[in-house]
Amino acid sequence: SAVISQKPSRDICQRGTSLTIQCQVDSQVTMMFWYRQQPGQSLTLIATANQGSEATYESGFVIDKFPISRPNLTFSTLTVSNMSPEDSSIYLCSVEDPTTGGWPGQYFGPGTRLTVT
Amino acid sequence: GDSVTQMEGPVTLSEEAFLTINCTYTATGYPSLFWYVQYPGEGLQLLLKATKADDKGSNKGFEATYRKETTSFHLEKGSVQVSDSAVYFCALTVNSGNTPLVFGKGTRLSVIA
Repeated sequence: SAVISQKPSRDICQRGTSLTIQCQVDSQVTMMFWYRQQPGQSLTLIATANQGSEATYESGFVIDKFPISRPNLTFSTLTVSNMSPEDSSIYLCSVEDPTTGGWPGQYFGPGTRLTVT
Repeated sequence: GDSVTQMEGPVTLSEEAFLTINCTYTATGYPSLFWYVQYPGEGLQLLLKATKADDKGSNKGFEATYRKETTSFHLEKGSVQVSDSAVYFCALTVNSGNTPLVFGKGTRLSVIA
């Protein structure tokens, strides 16, 4: 299994500003995933981050809006840039199982609840 | 594309009642299916999984059977407890576990004593 922490747990931000969310894992993992959960919606994948390479973004998400860093095998950051109220969501990071490389499933952090006013 | 549809919540049950949360899917390949649970204030936890047709995943008294003919993976528990109150997410991945998940919208369960 993997223990994942995220900072901050929640924040209230003004539109036009940026927020960087940190994700720390207690084991080395190759793949890290960033998801967004908008109010009343399911989780949507933003991007996949491998250590040592550029993040791969899903359709509808761009690097200028959601830059991601992955400096090592236990840490990643997601920045939500130039925020608008539509960015109000819970942002979750997720990792593969560090011992099996994927199975039995992914492990999730507690999430960062972002409100943009 | 791939998608997961869950029954709408919230679901409110009395303690010891029987629980069913419906989940159906569409997938371009042969998916693996998961149920995740999110307790209040906590992150998502993997509850159970099934990787092929007719597999039954089970954990903590919850069960779900992979039904390929009906493209379903309904979650059941025979006797719920107050501590089962949480949001439940059905999810799938078509490739290996090292690929992103496609989630349903989630179903909030409240169990009252």
